[in-house]
Amino acid sequence: ETGVTQSPTHLIKTRGQQVTLRCSSQSGHNTVSWYQQALGQGPQFIFQYYREEENGRGNFPPRFSGLQFPNYSSELNVNALELDDSALYLCASSLEASGRTKTQYFGPGTRLLVL
Amino acid sequence: KQEVTQIPAALSVPEGENLVLNCSFTDSAIYNLQWFRQDPGKGLTSLLLIQSSQREQTSGRLNASLDKSSGRSTLYIAASQPGDSATYLCAVGVAAGNKLTFGGGTRVLVKP
Repeated sequence: ETGVTQSPTHLIKTRGQQVTLRCSSQSGHNTVSWYQQALGQGPQFIFQYYREEENGRGNFPPRFSGLQFPNYSSELNVNALELDDSALYLCASSLEASGRTKTQYFGPGTRLLVL
Repeated sequence: KQEVTQIPAALSVPEGENLVLNCSFTDSAIYNLQWFRQDPGKGLTSLLLIQSSQREQTSGRLNASLDKSSGRSTLYIAASQPGDSATYLCAVGVAAGNKLTFGGGTRVLVKP
């Protein structure tokens, strides 16, 4: 158990709808990253939040957006869902500070199916 | 653009044999390299983290090496067990903030 939780565990949506996925970071962690993992592939970096500010973004369109809250929990929002958005969405929390980076701890993921 | 490759994509070995998993990356300017394990339909479990200044890390039966100049990392698992069956992913951390670029993974089956 990493202490990182995600909700919901599974979700089915239809094309064009909007979805919000949630992540609760491990206690003491100030950074959360979101990844998309299509079936049979490695995860792809979506974006990262550090102390409530976006701190880097991967090659994903603006309809993927996020938030980090003062308690360091986070949301991933996806608008205008497409069939290709079907994937496992993983969040990872870590403690970023000057010096060495700590390990990223991943949650169990939310499996999204878009029909 | 950093690219991470893992070969082979799948591997099957008898129980007790040592496992050698390979990971290569194109840009040697990495922050760190991390190995993960993923069971079917589950999240990722961190196995080992190697900082860019380090050459290897060990934890129990696991040993990972890092050669930045050649853009390679190897994960060794000694005396494999059926419980080691999973997909193993390597990821390189780029820049501050440790944004990870993943390889496609190696699916391992250890047969009793």
